[in-house]
Amino acid sequence: GAGVSQSPRYKVAKRGQDVALRCDPISGHVSLFWYQQALGQGPEFLTYFQNEAQLDKSGLPSDRFFAERPEGSVSTLKIQRTQQEDSAVYLCASSLGGGGQETQYFGPGTRLLVL
Amino acid sequence: AQKVTQAQTEISVVEKEDVTLDCVYETRDTTYYLFWYKQPPSGELVFLIRRNSFDEQNEISGRYSWNFQKSTSSFNFTITASQVVDSAVYFCALSGDFGNEKLTFGTGTRLTIIP
Repeated sequence: GAGVSQSPRYKVAKRGQDVALRCDPISGHVSLFWYQQALGQGPEFLTYFQNEAQLDKSGLPSDRFFAERPEGSVSTLKIQRTQQEDSAVYLCASSLGGGGQETQYFGPGTRLLVL
Repeated sequence: AQKVTQAQTEISVVEKEDVTLDCVYETRDTTYYLFWYKQPPSGELVFLIRRNSFDEQNEISGRYSWNFQKSTSSFNFTITASQVVDSAVYFCALSGDFGNEKLTFGTGTRLTIIP
């Protein structure tokens, strides 16, 4: 596709359930980022991949959060034992190369609601 | 640590008025990159502009212009002759060089254009 795609667009989970969020980056983009956006706030960094290597996971809020990109393309963000505070929009972004000078292009996000 | 401050939480202007959105940043990096993104009600972050720390030239793109001043650590965004379609939340963001690729966002400014 032309842009970054994410699925599902909406997810409702009961507290304690595991969820998996998928991101398809722009074809050929080396770098992939995950961000979390709480209501009324700016996006906050979670983790960063360059190809299949996870170079930075400093933003993951707890060990319940896990991300992977096994073949250097599609990425999955998994949240185990969801809590109400995990409710947010999860944004995925990709960029052509590495380095902070590269523009990150964002997907539409997955809105997660934990009841 | 990097920080972006957008002091204006909400702005409302009447259509055709000019409006300036403020952005102040903090970083210890000597090389860094500044971005503006637009988030319309649909939720997807749309890239507007990227600026390198070593290029202080102001930029104009149609009704949009950006004023980058390293002396005051500011990267302000002006919309001339505003239109209703400009209504959105606007985010200023900052990234560093290799090893610091993640975007640090401000809290955003909600702009409402009144017809």
